[in-house]
Amino acid sequence: EVQILESGGGLVQPGGSLRLSCGASGFTFSRNAMHWVRQAPGRGLEWVAGMSGSGDATFSADFVKGRFTISRDNFKDTLYLQLNSLRVEDTAVYYCAKEAAVWDAFDVWGQGTVVTVSS
Amino acid sequence: QSVLTQPPSASGTPGQRVTISCSGSRSNIGTNAVNWYQQLPGTAPKLLIYSNNQRPSGVPDRFSGSKSGTSASLAISGLQSEDEAEYHCAAWDDSPNGPVYVFGTGTKVTVL
Repeated sequence: EVQILESGGGLVQPGGSLRLSCGASGFTFSRNAMHWVRQAPGRGLEWVAGMSGSGDATFSADFVKGRFTISRDNFKDTLYLQLNSLRVEDTAVYYCAKEAAVWDAFDVWGQGTVVTVSS
Repeated sequence: QSVLTQPPSASGTPGQRVTISCSGSRSNIGTNAVNWYQQLPGTAPKLLIYSNNQRPSGVPDRFSGSKSGTSASLAISGLQSEDEAEYHCAAWDDSPNGPVYVFGTGTKVTVL
């Protein structure tokens, strides 16, 4: 069974940092691009960043650049998101999602990890 | 910031047909495939439709998708109580700074 499990969320002060992890199982991790998507309270979904299966290509939303860094360890079947210089508006549930190999859609999602930025 | 526009809400009685629109632009829906996600209350999103009109295994055939030009739509035929959820359209956008994945504003479907 394909499974994705995020961890690393928590409460952090503005300007602080967190590293989110996304562990995967049930599929060949290195063959699939992986993504982070967030959802602020009461708001819609917002794509954060994605990385190719090999790790040689990354894509990210404009609001991310310079603050968040996506990475992966294909030996550990794990995707990461380093969050730096956090702002109150970064408060959200952060989901990890697997991109289907052929469809350009996110076919498997984790349950999410909550990041709260507050003083 | 959402690039794709959806109505905030839609509703119907059990058995009715409900349609949700998703409006974009040439750089996203006009060029790339549209996907739809269903998000039940308090849960993670689930892929409902991919490549404009394809259903993943296990998705009932009462859900259907279509695309024309820079707009897309999701139809739910034979509405059921368990269809009450938030629905999000999405597509890749060929922005000048590199591809970005954009979601719609989301539509809350209520079964009356």
